[in-house]
Amino acid sequence: SAVISQKPSRDICQRGTSLTIQCQVDSQVTMMFWYRQQPGQSLTLIATANQGSEATYESGFVIDKFPISRPNLTFSTLTVSNMSPEDSSIYLCSHSGNKNTGELFFGEGSRLTVL
Amino acid sequence: EDKVVQSPLSLVVHEGDTVTLNCSYEVTNFRSLLWYKQEKKAPTFLFMLTSSGIEKKSGRLSSILDKKELSSILNITATQTGDSAIYLCAVGSSNTGKLIFGQGTTLQVKP
Repeated sequence: SAVISQKPSRDICQRGTSLTIQCQVDSQVTMMFWYRQQPGQSLTLIATANQGSEATYESGFVIDKFPISRPNLTFSTLTVSNMSPEDSSIYLCSHSGNKNTGELFFGEGSRLTVL
Repeated sequence: EDKVVQSPLSLVVHEGDTVTLNCSYEVTNFRSLLWYKQEKKAPTFLFMLTSSGIEKKSGRLSSILDKKELSSILNITATQTGDSAIYLCAVGSSNTGKLIFGQGTTLQVKP
């Protein structure tokens, strides 16, 4: 399965600023997914990032707040814009390594704390 | 709306105990059910289940799917402190290709 490198691993951010998280996959993958995990919660899908088209956002998430780029089949970014303390979470990127089973492989995650 | 529900939400046991974690789902066009273990940030894959009644086993961990009951269990025997983690159940839909996660079960194994 393709290995994902995600950065930053963690960051402390000020309210009102924006931060971009990067994910690099060591081989080409069709679909990448961005998840958020708020403290004490499970994983919630933010959006599906497809190369060559706009990301598909889940209910409750909008492009202005979480713009996503997918310039090629090995790379994607998620920006958390105009951050507030409620955005303090772990953000995870993943890819569907096995089309038949739907198994997801995850990056190491980015733990963001917004003050 | 598709959903995945896990129980219990948290569990505290002592080393050597056996635990059973539950996962139930309502998903359109079910494709697979997956179990993950999350210790720090990134979940690590444990099992993938697609067929009813076939037990998957890895060491002290095992899991089985019941499509009739729309549920799965994850068993851990002879628990160790290293089993302390959040266990996540996720279900894949063939419609969307996405995984929907349950709330997770937080397991704490005391020495």
